[in-house]
Amino acid sequence: DSGVTQTPKHLITATGQRVTLRCSPRSGDLSVYWYQQSLDQGLQFLIQYYNGEERAKGNILERFSAQQFPDLHSELNLSSLELGDSALYFCASSVGIQRETQYFGPGTRLLVL
Amino acid sequence: AQSVAQPEDQVNVAEGNPLTVKCTYSVSGNPYLFWYVQYPNRGLQFLLKYITGDNLVKGSYGFEAEFNKSQTSFHLKKPSALVSDSALYFCAVRDSTGSNDYKLSFGAGTTVTVRA
Repeated sequence: DSGVTQTPKHLITATGQRVTLRCSPRSGDLSVYWYQQSLDQGLQFLIQYYNGEERAKGNILERFSAQQFPDLHSELNLSSLELGDSALYFCASSVGIQRETQYFGPGTRLLVL
Repeated sequence: AQSVAQPEDQVNVAEGNPLTVKCTYSVSGNPYLFWYVQYPNRGLQFLLKYITGDNLVKGSYGFEAEFNKSQTSFHLKKPSALVSDSALYFCAVRDSTGSNDYKLSFGAGTTVTVRA
């Protein structure tokens, strides 16, 4: 158990809908990262927050947004969902932002029908 | 830009034999290199990392990896594989010269199957 928690574990929804994925980092970690894992794209970095501020953006669609709250938990919002958004979404956390290891949560499996 | 290549989609070994999973990387500056393992329906578990110092890095569950700067490689090894090592292995890299971009770039993954 990495200490990173993600809810929900599974999510089934319809095209056009909006969902929110939640992540709680390890105790003491200030940095949160979101990744998407799909069969065709592999593991792709989406976005990073450090102590409440956005620090880096990767291949994140405009329909997707995220934020990190004062208690350091993070939420990833996915809207106008398409079939291709079906994937495993991982959250990771680290103490800082340079050399530290990123520890991954168990993921949220999203299925868009 | 940073990238990782895992040239083998699958590696099959017999239990008790040595296991090697290959990884090569490309970065502008000095690399920070990581290995993760993913079991079915689980998240990624950290195995080991190379930041600086000794080229041979020892990690969890008897795994080790050797950093080779001239060959830009970071191969994962285990002297004697176990059936329980069967999983999906990912190599990842971060460029140490990045200012605000601290993302990890992952390889496509290598499926390891250890037969009894």
